[in-house]
Amino acid sequence: EIVLTQSPATLSLSPGERATLSCRASPGFSFFLAWYQQKPGQAPSLLIYDASKRATGTPARFSGSGSGTDFTLTISSLEPEDFAVYYCQQRSDWPPSITFGQGTRLEIK
Amino acid sequence: QLQLQESGPGLVQPSETLSLTCTVSGASISSSVYYWGWVRQSPGKGLEWIGCIYYSGNTYYNPSLKSRVSISVDTSKNQFSLNLSSMTAADTAVYYCVRQPKTNNMDSWGQGTQVTVSS
Repeated sequence: EIVLTQSPATLSLSPGERATLSCRASPGFSFFLAWYQQKPGQAPSLLIYDASKRATGTPARFSGSGSGTDFTLTISSLEPEDFAVYYCQQRSDWPPSITFGQGTRLEIK
Repeated sequence: QLQLQESGPGLVQPSETLSLTCTVSGASISSSVYYWGWVRQSPGKGLEWIGCIYYSGNTYYNPSLKSRVSISVDTSKNQFSLNLSSMTAADTAVYYCVRQPKTNNMDSWGQGTQVTVSS
């Protein structure tokens, strides 16, 4: 089973700063990597799919990159509404399954 | 506008079977593009994918839960359902129903329903 490890666990930044969140897959390669944002009391919402494609409604300040085992979510200039928890997720073919990372909490500094 | 709504008991006795239903509105569950699935979230284990189903009845389950999980679909009601047997305290979580494009990710989520396992 592929395990997704997100880092850092918590990221403290100020509005206007750039945020870089990491997701590493082990062992093996990861495909169909997606990123989600979750705010308190809400369900997660899809931000990025297939590693770099923005989901409908995702602002352009969010971008995804990476392939194979290392992936990154970048928020170019933080807005107050961006402070939330972010999860990465991948789908594997064998065994057919889906796994999530443990999350990165992005908090206001 | 697509909406997914979970329904079912909020409290389940240990060893019993959890049954949840997701009602889909604003889209047909018989779409050829989408699978329909369940995800749960607990403080201890984070987000955990449970499984998904295609309108034809084809299913995929999380290997770690496969022995206890069954997902079914009722296209006439535009609903799909989750059964999780032999519930324990470790199954206490918020359960979400989701839409999965080709199983790859979850592009729409229900609001979630809290399920607590306790006697």
